[in-house]
Amino acid sequence: EDQVTQSPEALRLQEGESSSLNCSYTVSGLRGLFWYRQDPGKGPEFLFTLYSAGEEKEKERLKATLTKKESFLHITAPKPEDSATYLCAVGNNAGNMLTFGGGTRLMVKP
Amino acid sequence: DGGITQSPKYLFRKEGQNVTLSCEQNLNHDAMYWYRQDPGQGLRLIYYSQIVNDFQKGDIAEGYSVSREKKESFPLTVTSAQKNPTAFYLCASSITSLREQYFGPGTRLTVT
Repeated sequence: EDQVTQSPEALRLQEGESSSLNCSYTVSGLRGLFWYRQDPGKGPEFLFTLYSAGEEKEKERLKATLTKKESFLHITAPKPEDSATYLCAVGNNAGNMLTFGGGTRLMVKP
Repeated sequence: DGGITQSPKYLFRKEGQNVTLSCEQNLNHDAMYWYRQDPGQGLRLIYYSQIVNDFQKGDIAEGYSVSREKKESFPLTVTSAQKNPTAFYLCASSITSLREQYFGPGTRLTVT
């Protein structure tokens, strides 16, 4: 059974204080790791897909990286508008569904 | 504009009533999904459909039903058999299964 664990559950940062969110996974044949951003009361917004270890993707202040066991979402010099819950999900070669982690709630204070 | 629409945004029902949540997409995606999200928790898959007239149960299908008669539409019915129906319901679609999913704005269902 695929498993996704995100840590920490909540993270408070000061504006400009860089940090990383972790997504650890176990999957029988990774077919993609996905990062989403979710604002309160809204649907998740797709950010990145990573397919193989060593791959990196960037978007503004966000950078996602992937190893064989985990993915990191690095946030450089965050701003208050980066405050949201960040979700990670994995897909495997055998199935047709994604398995989601519980999310990390990020709060960036000015 | 291409996207996924869910309606209504808020829905209130009395216990014992069935209720249908709407999901429509104009992205020409083959696959569609329904998730449930409870406060402070991740997404749990209720049903998914890879193609018209076909759908499969997810992890928590009991008390729910779906149909996929058109590529664009994937309505979810929450039946009276669902013991804890109050939740935030999210619909998603992807071009094919296991590609990135795009989500609608969600429907918050409250059953009293």
